[in-house]
Amino acid sequence: SQQGEEDPQALSIQEGENATMNCSYKTSINNLQWYRQNSGRGLVHLILIRSNEREKHSGRLRVTLDTSKKSSSLLITASRAADTASYFCATGLEYGNKLVFGAGTILRVKS
Amino acid sequence: EAGVTQFPSHSVIEKGQTVTLRCDPISGHDNLYWYRRVMGKEIKFLLHFVKESKQDESGMPNNRFLAERTGGTYSTLKVQPAELEDSGVYFCASSQATIAGYPQETQYFGPGTRLLVL
Repeated sequence: SQQGEEDPQALSIQEGENATMNCSYKTSINNLQWYRQNSGRGLVHLILIRSNEREKHSGRLRVTLDTSKKSSSLLITASRAADTASYFCATGLEYGNKLVFGAGTILRVKS
Repeated sequence: EAGVTQFPSHSVIEKGQTVTLRCDPISGHDNLYWYRRVMGKEIKFLLHFVKESKQDESGMPNNRFLAERTGGTYSTLKVQPAELEDSGVYFCASSQATIAGYPQETQYFGPGTRLLVL
């Protein structure tokens, strides 16, 4: 069964605007991670938030986690054309070490 | 420090043929993972090695897939015989072990191998 679901599926914004992507999941987790994939490239790790954390920042990235709602959001502030990519959330489960990925959000930042 | 590397970057084969994908993890990473993304679907876990041992192979789809990690360094994933539905992108990832021996949570991914079965 699908663990992570992301919305929106696609997002198109102007450079300088903020982009918000959401991720929902179904089971208990140990952590939640966000990855970026540029076209035709591999997955780049962006940020990890643990289940006992509520918010985390890294540069222009802000991640929140609400375990009661089983959801997370990724905010990219002051977006740039170079942020154009697919963004995936992945949950690290309480047991085991595999990551369970969502379907991803395609972000397009227009310059 | 070199990242996770995968070879080949692309592979096009006929149905029924055999393909072997290779992954070289980050040096010193005991944990190695295989994932794949087939057409239009989510990235899904295949298996996890700790050094040369298979820790979790619950995601392997069937016995046409064989993963090895002899010597605990690089890993290969062989598909034999390949079917049309095996087409997709195969990712490898690696992570360090903690002092206690558990895998670090952050997994570092390679660029993937794009497999097309015709």
